[in-house]
Amino acid sequence: SQTIHQWPATLVQPVGSPLSLECTVEGTSNPNLYWYRQAAGRGLQLLFYSVGIGQISSEVPQNLSASRPQDRQFILSSKKLLLSDSGFYLCAWSTGTASNQPQHFGDGTRLSIL
Amino acid sequence: KQEVTQIPAALSVPEGENLVLNCSFTDSAIYNLQWFRQDPGKGLTSLLLIQSSQREQTSGRLNASLDKSSGRSTLYIAASQPGDSATYLCACNTGKLIFGQGTTLQVKP
Repeated sequence: SQTIHQWPATLVQPVGSPLSLECTVEGTSNPNLYWYRQAAGRGLQLLFYSVGIGQISSEVPQNLSASRPQDRQFILSSKKLLLSDSGFYLCAWSTGTASNQPQHFGDGTRLSIL
Repeated sequence: KQEVTQIPAALSVPEGENLVLNCSFTDSAIYNLQWFRQDPGKGLTSLLLIQSSQREQTSGRLNASLDKSSGRSTLYIAASQPGDSATYLCACNTGKLIFGQGTTLQVKP
C-alpha cells in the first residue's frame, strides 16, 4: 500500500533563517505531488505541484520554493523565512494518470516563525 | 474562479443525532469533489470522493451527495458519535483542489 511521510512534525524557526521540509511517498511510481499551506483562520491553499522529477509549478507568488530531486521526494524550501510563512504545511500525492484521482495527505508540519 | 463555501462554520450536536454538512461551489466544471476529515493538529483523511458523473457515495455511516447543476454537495453523518468530532473539509477538483474553510463538528456525549 502507498504511504506518505512528512518531517519534521513541528518546527520553530527565527525570522530570516532557511527552511527545508521534506515529503516522501512509498508504494507508487511517478505520483503527482503537492504542497499546501493552512494558515490560521484561512483555508488550505495550494502552493506547488509537480507531475515529474524536476517539474515544478507554482500557484502563488511567495517566499518559498519547491524541488523534486527524485520521483517520490518533494522538498519545500526557503532561503529566508518571514513571519507570514508560519502555518501548517501539508504534502499530498495522487496517481499521475488522470486529473480525477483522489489526493492523499501526509500528517503535516507545523511551522512557527519567531 | 472557483470558490468553495462551507456552512455552518461550526456545529455542536448531541450524540446519536443525524446531521448534514453543506458545501457549495461556484463553477460546475469539476472532475470530482472530495470530503476530508481533519483532527486538530493533524493532516487530512479522505472520507469520500464523488466523481462528476456520480450523484452520491456511501461509506459506513457517511453519505455524500453531489448536485453539479446547483453547485452543492452534502455530507450526511448518521447516528453521530463523539469520535466524529473533527473539522470536515470539502474540496472541488478543477485540476487542482479548491478547499472550503471547513465545518468544525463537536458531538457531545
